[in-house]
Amino acid sequence: DADVTQTPRNRITKTGKRIMLECSQTKGHDRMYWYRQDPGLGLRLIYYSFDVKDINKGEISDGYSVSRQAQAKFSLSLESAIPNQTALYFCATSDLYEQYFGPGTRLTVT
Amino acid sequence: GQQLNQSPQSMFIQEGEDVSMNCTSSSIFNTWLWYKQEPGEGPVLLIALYKAGELTSNGRLTAQFGITRKDSFLNISASIPSDVGIYFCAGLSTDTGGFKTIFGAGTRLFVKA
Repeated sequence: DADVTQTPRNRITKTGKRIMLECSQTKGHDRMYWYRQDPGLGLRLIYYSFDVKDINKGEISDGYSVSRQAQAKFSLSLESAIPNQTALYFCATSDLYEQYFGPGTRLTVT
Repeated sequence: GQQLNQSPQSMFIQEGEDVSMNCTSSSIFNTWLWYKQEPGEGPVLLIALYKAGELTSNGRLTAQFGITRKDSFLNISASIPSDVGIYFCAGLSTDTGGFKTIFGAGTRLFVKA
């Protein structure tokens, strides 16, 4: 079984809808991250959490929120999706600095 | 904000050739990571570097943490078709400004058999 799982793997939604992307990990790591990937731009950090009670904004947090439900679970929400949030979203976990990524969620906002 | 300049953007090489790619920044990092991403998958960690000047190998891959802490390079020797993918560098820093992780835009590698 994969160490980091993401659901859904693909999602198409309409502008203005609320959507939640979920991430679970079995690596026992305290640190979890959400990134977005756009062609030609690499990965950009949206939010990160160093433990269940710790939530921090990353480089591009506007329009997103997160919830750390447990050590193993970290969800990303788009409260009101807009087309420029169409991207590939990755969750990652780490013990310290070596981050391990999930398979990604491809989100399309029409 | 901080940026990583990763070059080249893409490489088209013949099987058996050696490959070199690098990342540079105007900022100092505590850690450099190199990842490979294949279509439909998340990035997979290849090599982690923690000290300036550190040279680390993983099979045919060798990476170095620059002395200035502002750059890193990745070499792949004797390339094979399964080396095809996008290679990303990532710089991490933890200082009084808090935790930062910055990814390069990636080097897309094509290997012709």
